[in-house]
Amino acid sequence: KNEVEQSPQNLTAQEGEFITINCSYSVGISALHWLQQHPGGGIVSLFMLSSGKKKHGRLIATINIQEKHSSLHITASHPRDSAVYICAVRSFNAGNNRKLIWGLGTSLAVNP
Amino acid sequence: ETGVTQSPTHLIKTRGQQVTLRCSSQSGHNTVSWYQQALGQGPQFIFQYYREEENGRGNFPPRFSGLQFPNYSSELNVNALELDDSALYLCASSFRGAKNIQYFGAGTRLSVL
Repeated sequence: KNEVEQSPQNLTAQEGEFITINCSYSVGISALHWLQQHPGGGIVSLFMLSSGKKKHGRLIATINIQEKHSSLHITASHPRDSAVYICAVRSFNAGNNRKLIWGLGTSLAVNP
Repeated sequence: ETGVTQSPTHLIKTRGQQVTLRCSSQSGHNTVSWYQQALGQGPQFIFQYYREEENGRGNFPPRFSGLQFPNYSSELNVNALELDDSALYLCASSFRGAKNIQYFGAGTRLSVL
């Protein structure tokens, strides 16, 4: 079982829909990252969270430390949001406390 | 635009050869991390360098090594290439202390034949 689990694995939506991607983790963390990876490999960091909620444009990320769960929401989705969304946690493992543990990603396709 | 550039973008090597991948970080970023992403998988942490010294390593053998230079550039070296080393290699730079936000390059796609 992966230490970081994402759901769903694949998601298809119509333009304008509200989208939620979930991330659960089983290790102690100091921070959680949401990243976006477009075809061709380039990765963009969207958010880094250690508590609460952050908003940037149409993107909202929340984290519940007690439940070890985070969600990424996209409001009014658009075809340009089509990408792989990856959740990664910064493990609080002594001796290597900057290691990122990655989920396998959620592939999102937004149709016009 | 993340300000992190990697070269080359694509590379083909044969088994047993050695390869050097390069990463140019944002000015002032004192930390660089390297990741290996196999097709269809999430990135796997290889190692991190902070102020030119290795500062954490994932589950990769010693034939994966790195260097970080004072001019904010770094290298990933892989010796004795194996077929399974075929992957996208990503570097990410950050300034330690600035919320550890990492900025990623677009990656180098390595194919080992």
